[in-house]
Amino acid sequence: GNSVTQMEGPVTLSEEAFLTINCTYTATGYPSLFWYVQYPGEGLQLLLKATKADDKGSNKGFEATYRKETTSFHLEKGSVQVSDSAVYFCASRQIIQGAQKLVFGQGTRLTINP
Amino acid sequence: DAGITQSPRHKVTETGTPVTLRCHQTENHRYMYWYRQDPGHGLRLIHYSYGVKDTDKGEVSDGYSVSRSKTEDFLLTLESATSSQTSVYFCAISERAGGPPGELFFGEGSRLTVL
Repeated sequence: GNSVTQMEGPVTLSEEAFLTINCTYTATGYPSLFWYVQYPGEGLQLLLKATKADDKGSNKGFEATYRKETTSFHLEKGSVQVSDSAVYFCASRQIIQGAQKLVFGQGTRLTINP
Repeated sequence: DAGITQSPRHKVTETGTPVTLRCHQTENHRYMYWYRQDPGHGLRLIHYSYGVKDTDKGEVSDGYSVSRSKTEDFLLTLESATSSQTSVYFCAISERAGGPPGELFFGEGSRLTVL
């Protein structure tokens, strides 16, 4: 079955630093890929997505490119802010009987210090 | 915010007792999901529903049952809670009826502690 592996955290950076959170996947075929973000005390929110190879998802200054050669979907941001502190989850999607079955990585906790 | 309400938001119970968590949506989405979130595991799918009275198992369904008697409610039941079921449970919804595949929307979570 599908699986997703994320770099382990926690990750601590200073404000305005460059961020990379690695994500690799295993799957049959080419699943859609997602990054979700979870702020303290909240549920998950979709941050960005890519549905096919070489697609780039972007939102709020974050970017990730679907690389089928390396089966990766690394999350990047050029200059992080304190408000980016959260837990980030990479996920791949299978559609079974019309339902979206997301397989999540273990999550990476990001803390940004002022 | 997607109209998803989970209840209770926090619960402490003892081993062997039954527990029911409720997910209520006001969005008329067809699909509903229950996930559990544990450190080091991310979120794992317990059960999902693709319509009223239509449910199926996810990857960690043992010890859990679900029911969906109407579009807006999806119940998760632990018939006899165990300490390994201590977790944060998230409900999610997707797809307005007849719509294309789209985003999953998550509730705020229900924290369950089994002593």
